[in-house]
Amino acid sequence: AQSVTQLDSQVPVFEEAPVELRCNYSSSVSVYLFWYVQYPNQGLQLLLKYLSGSTLVKGINGFEAEFNKSQTSFHLRKPSVHISDTAEYFCAVSRANTNAGKSTFGDGTTLTVKP
Amino acid sequence: EAGVTQSPTHLIKTRGQQVTLRCSPISGHTSVYWYQQALGLGLQFLLWYDEGEERNRGNFPPRFSGRQFPNYSSELNVNALELEDSALYLCASSLDTNRGEQFFGPGTRLTVL
Repeated sequence: AQSVTQLDSQVPVFEEAPVELRCNYSSSVSVYLFWYVQYPNQGLQLLLKYLSGSTLVKGINGFEAEFNKSQTSFHLRKPSVHISDTAEYFCAVSRANTNAGKSTFGDGTTLTVKP
Repeated sequence: EAGVTQSPTHLIKTRGQQVTLRCSPISGHTSVYWYQQALGLGLQFLLWYDEGEERNRGNFPPRFSGRQFPNYSSELNVNALELEDSALYLCASSLDTNRGEQFFGPGTRLTVL
């Protein structure tokens, strides 16, 4: 089974500052990794995903994440945040190369961008 | 291309009642997933349907059930509602289950009084 730990439940940051949202995972098999964003009263939207290949993954809205297999981490970063980035962010993991279907989600990190 | 749709958007029920939530996946997607997002508890996996069959089930009591229809739409049924069932219920669909990427609907907000 896989598990995901998002190390920060809340991250406050000022507008135009850089931000890092941390995600560690545990799995005995190869995995796919995802970051989703949830704006208030909406469903989840995929930000970016790591399936294979380059460990640095670029997503929408200027976000990027780096897959670190030795540290079993997949931290999300943005060099300069905007007020509109205020949302809940979820890290998720699924088993690679199988028909396992479901993803395991972390508990979420609330990013609050202040003016 | 239309996204995942869910109905109703909001629902208020009382304890002991039954509720049915509906989900239509993206056209061509054969897998549907249901999640419960209760306040402060993150996303909890409920059910996964693929090609009309239940493939996996989360750690929820049997009063949570569902089905997937031949057109791949899905229903989630909750019987004997309890106060703690109040949550946002999210449906997601996927095309290629080997890759794990899921596309989410806007959710149904269920309030149990």
